[in-house]
Amino acid sequence: ETGVTQTPRHLVMGMTNKKSLKCEQHLGHNAMYWYKQSAKKPLELMFVYNFKEQTENNSVPSRFSPECPNSSHLFLHLHTLQPEDSALYLCASSQGPGSQASPLHFGNGTRLTVT
Amino acid sequence: GQNIDQPTEMTATEGAIVQINCTYQTSGFNGLFWYQQHAGEAPTFLSYNVLDGLEEKGRFSSFLSRSKGYSYLLLKELQMKDSASYLCAVADSNYQLIWGAGTKLIIKP
Repeated sequence: ETGVTQTPRHLVMGMTNKKSLKCEQHLGHNAMYWYKQSAKKPLELMFVYNFKEQTENNSVPSRFSPECPNSSHLFLHLHTLQPEDSALYLCASSQGPGSQASPLHFGNGTRLTVT
Repeated sequence: GQNIDQPTEMTATEGAIVQINCTYQTSGFNGLFWYQQHAGEAPTFLSYNVLDGLEEKGRFSSFLSRSKGYSYLLLKELQMKDSASYLCAVADSNYQLIWGAGTKLIIKP
């Protein structure tokens, strides 16, 4: 398997549930990212990990909790979400932040619906 | 503040040429990216410009003018499979990516 793989593709959860999104990259990249994509809005960067260390947390509510056990895997743990958190959550990887010609490689995303 | 502007939606005809514009105001500049995103799929990298001028890659070309804070993506010989959203993103002085909201391109036969 190549590229960036995200599971699940679709997730429906109630506001009191706890769930986790998983991302795996097979590209040998050093940096991994979580983005939120809402309709007709720019991509919102949530978290950045570089060599497994979190380097960015863009004022994301604590109901979203990232975990990066190694440079190939990234998780997003979800709990007590709100309906406005419904969106497409995209994982991406790259050679590393600060590399000028380092495009992001995205997974297909998890379509999250909070009921 | 930092801002990227691109049209929300464009329509073009199969076989024709379309130009998608992107204007930006950012704190510093370390390159501009274009991505393509088909509905329900991952954004995929199309092009990267850091110097002024035109970069050609098959049917797709990307142009940059740093003095004007302006870029465009040019798609030639349009095919139905080019129907997608096109995302413009600029790397600022801290290499943070600033994203536009995307342009939805509709191709009609």
